[in-house]
Amino acid sequence: DQQVKQNSPSLSVQEGRISILNCDYTNSMFDYFLWYKKYPAEGPTFLISISSIKDKNEDGRFTVFLNKSAKHLSLHIVPSQPGDSAVYFCAAPGWTGANSKLTFGKGITLSVRP
Amino acid sequence: NAGVTQTPKFQVLKTGQSMTLQCAQDMNHNSMYWYRQDPGMGLRLIYYSASEGTTDKGEVPNGYNVSRLNKREFSLRLESAAPSQTSVYFCASSSNQPQHFGDGTRLSIL
Repeated sequence: DQQVKQNSPSLSVQEGRISILNCDYTNSMFDYFLWYKKYPAEGPTFLISISSIKDKNEDGRFTVFLNKSAKHLSLHIVPSQPGDSAVYFCAAPGWTGANSKLTFGKGITLSVRP
Repeated sequence: NAGVTQTPKFQVLKTGQSMTLQCAQDMNHNSMYWYRQDPGMGLRLIYYSASEGTTDKGEVPNGYNVSRLNKREFSLRLESAAPSQTSVYFCASSSNQPQHFGDGTRLSIL
């Protein structure tokens, strides 16, 4: 039973255009979400998060949108750069607060073409 | 700033051999985690330790044991390695979100 779903395994976009990475979840108890970025041969690194009390969080070129009624979130990267090429994981903690274990989606491989 | 350090980075084992993967963090985090990542899969939690002295099973604990040696160190042991345990193993730590990850141990079992 996959509680966090990233249904598109890959995405290819041109440099300078927008990248939109989607994530769906099934557990209505989830109230906090994170995006991680992973390069080959490295560990995942935290990118951006959003709490369910917000519907948008922005950090530079990265914006995450949350639609609670649809149980859907998306990560927008504008403008996309070749260095953004990586695997992106959506994740949610089992409960709010410290020391909460994460449930991850399967990841989306983003390729940004020069 | 080392963050989360995992050793070794690579290891090849034969079926039935035992192995301990080491993880240490220098961020004074309370919680530590072990995940595995397989092709086409996300990260799946094997075991975690919410605080020093406690450990709990995650999603895929079978075939593994863990030890929270102290606040800094959390090791993962394979007592009798099986080919199905061929994977990349990641250790993480946190005192709140987000979790911080090491660079992984790539383990192959023949």
